[in-house]
Amino acid sequence: DTAVSQTPKYLVTQMGNDKSIKCEQNLGHDTMYWYKQDSKKFLKIMFSYNNKELIINETVPNRFSPKSPDKAHLNLHINSLELGDSAVYFCASSPLGTGSTGELFFGEGSRLTVL
Amino acid sequence: AQSVTQPDIHITVSEGASLELRCNYSYGATPYLFWYVQSPGQGLQLLLKYFSGDTLVQGIKGFEAEFKRSQSSFNLRKPSVHWSDAAEYFCAVGNQAGTALIFGKGTTLSVSS
Repeated sequence: DTAVSQTPKYLVTQMGNDKSIKCEQNLGHDTMYWYKQDSKKFLKIMFSYNNKELIINETVPNRFSPKSPDKAHLNLHINSLELGDSAVYFCASSPLGTGSTGELFFGEGSRLTVL
Repeated sequence: AQSVTQPDIHITVSEGASLELRCNYSYGATPYLFWYVQSPGQGLQLLLKYFSGDTLVQGIKGFEAEFKRSQSSFNLRKPSVHWSDAAEYFCAVGNQAGTALIFGKGTTLSVSS
């Protein structure tokens, strides 16, 4: 059973299109994240949700809209895709509460290529 | 400003040689520190973490790291590198459970035979 799973793993699309990436975690964690890894492998936080509530919203274009239907799912929708959106998007989750040490559990990533 | 610096972009070591990857952080609160490894085309796997207690922490795959508060460092070490250790290594800092981690830019490790 994959702990944090993302779909699709690969996504190739044209500029101007709208696309979504889905993420699900079966770890029972309260907090989920989206990170973007650029071509130089730099990982940058985009969004964080705690139990369906948005708690981190970094300076990301408003073409990016996260949605958390429940605490096990966090989806990322991107409108009007641009060349610069090409990257690997990672979903992650972490638990809260006593004994938690702040570790993030990552999915395998979704590689988005915009042509 | 909160940040993580990994001074070495790329390191090559011979198989069987020892390894040290450097990590320095700037963080206002008591840091939680992490090392993650990313193999090509894969997600990030946690190697080890420090949040309190013994400043020398052991991780998976024979890795260890030492937290030095006075130097704001959390360097990763391995006494004998295997070819399968070739990967991208990321140092990260946070301050409590549920906080988004701030990552360094990574160090690419190559292993020569």
